[in-house]
Amino acid sequence: NAGVTQTPKFQVLKTGQSMTLQCAQDMNHNSMYWYRQDPGMGLRLIYYSASEGTTDKGEVPNGYNVSRLNKREFSLRLESAAPSQTSVYFCASRLAGPDYEQYFGPGTRLTVT
Amino acid sequence: AQSVTQLDSHVSVSEGTPVLLRCNYSSSYSPSLFWYVQHPNKGLQLLLKYTSAATLVKGINGFEAEFKKSETSFHLTKPSAHMSDAAEYFCVVSDDNAGNMLTFGGGTRLMVKP
Repeated sequence: NAGVTQTPKFQVLKTGQSMTLQCAQDMNHNSMYWYRQDPGMGLRLIYYSASEGTTDKGEVPNGYNVSRLNKREFSLRLESAAPSQTSVYFCASRLAGPDYEQYFGPGTRLTVT
Repeated sequence: AQSVTQLDSHVSVSEGTPVLLRCNYSSSYSPSLFWYVQHPNKGLQLLLKYTSAATLVKGINGFEAEFKKSETSFHLTKPSAHMSDAAEYFCVVSDDNAGNMLTFGGGTRLMVKP
């Protein structure tokens, strides 16, 4: 089992460029999440998908869009990158329900210059 | 609304001494609570979770946490620190009906001195 995989691992963008971060899980989980991690702020939820075909905003959705392509894949798109989006991005997945833990990918380190 | 406060941003202990990482939460519902660990440049790994069963929860690598509803706390402890415990630790609460909205604390960086 690969668990949760993310591509790319590192990316450098110029302000205004666009890119898509890819996430896939092979655990047959219903729910998938995108977080950003900034120093001293823990992880903040950008968007989540409770099940295939649904997506919802989290705490910090501005500047991002998501697509739940199928049950396995959940992508995060930056349409016009800004320096404030420099961060480490984590994808996670879990079974549906509050008692289940999330499984995290290894992260994507994004720098916007 | 739910929130999590990790009371110490940094904790430093000597190898072999006890570890205490403090977490307080607020929640509208009966919460599920988690502790995750993140080693440098790695993803997050689950240490333990509380889901309304036993209030004392045992996790991996000798860690445990006690859910205290009256104090709204979920502190993480370990009797004897090991050098490999040096990492960042996150307390997390999940209390919406569907369990979809998880809120993370700001993290506590644990340093272990030889």
